[in-house]
Amino acid sequence: DTGVSQDPRHKITKRGQNVTFRCDPISEHNRLYWYRQTLGQGPEFLTYFQNEAQLEKSRLLSDRFSAERPKGSFSTLEIQRTEQGDSAMYLCASSLLGPNEQYFGPGTRLTVT
Amino acid sequence: QQQVKQSPQSLIVQKGGIPIINCAYENTAFDYFPWYQQFPGKGPALLIAIRPDVSEKKEGRFTISFNKSAKQFSLHIMDSQPGDSATYFCAARANTGNQFYFGTGTSLTVIP
Repeated sequence: DTGVSQDPRHKITKRGQNVTFRCDPISEHNRLYWYRQTLGQGPEFLTYFQNEAQLEKSRLLSDRFSAERPKGSFSTLEIQRTEQGDSAMYLCASSLLGPNEQYFGPGTRLTVT
Repeated sequence: QQQVKQSPQSLIVQKGGIPIINCAYENTAFDYFPWYQQFPGKGPALLIAIRPDVSEKKEGRFTISFNKSAKQFSLHIMDSQPGDSATYFCAARANTGNQFYFGTGTSLTVIP
């Protein structure tokens, strides 16, 4: 499968714990995006990488959230001191030549209890 | 503030019908308008997209109609099938940015 992959697919954690998600984009896609999707809503942009550089961050990305793409390939999204409001689907997308035609992964569903 | 407003929230049609989903926007900097299809437990998948310099684009059974002056665009699904049952999202991207702004989604059910 050469699509965008995300790991884990599901994560249940207790409030206050830290969690980390991984995204592997389509091979050779230099652009990578993180979105958050809550039930009944469309995805909301969190952050954007071009190669290893984080070029855009949404106001939604509080200080508890951090994302990295150390070698310009896979990316990680970490949430520190999780809150119940962080419960959502976290989606990763990648694109090649520009921001259009973003291909999404299956997402990581986070449940904070 | 919702940058892209989508309606209806849900839609039920008979097989063979033509569901229409509508979206509206205000930001005149938007210059790329994709539609995504999402099945339960899956990420959104790109269906079709349009730029504001054309009024209509057709790919297979999917057609986008675009009205630049009204700042509205819509998705039509011809000869709808039960396999089209999914949630559909419109989106928009400004020419100055990299992020998509998504609508709130339309849950489509096609009854056999």
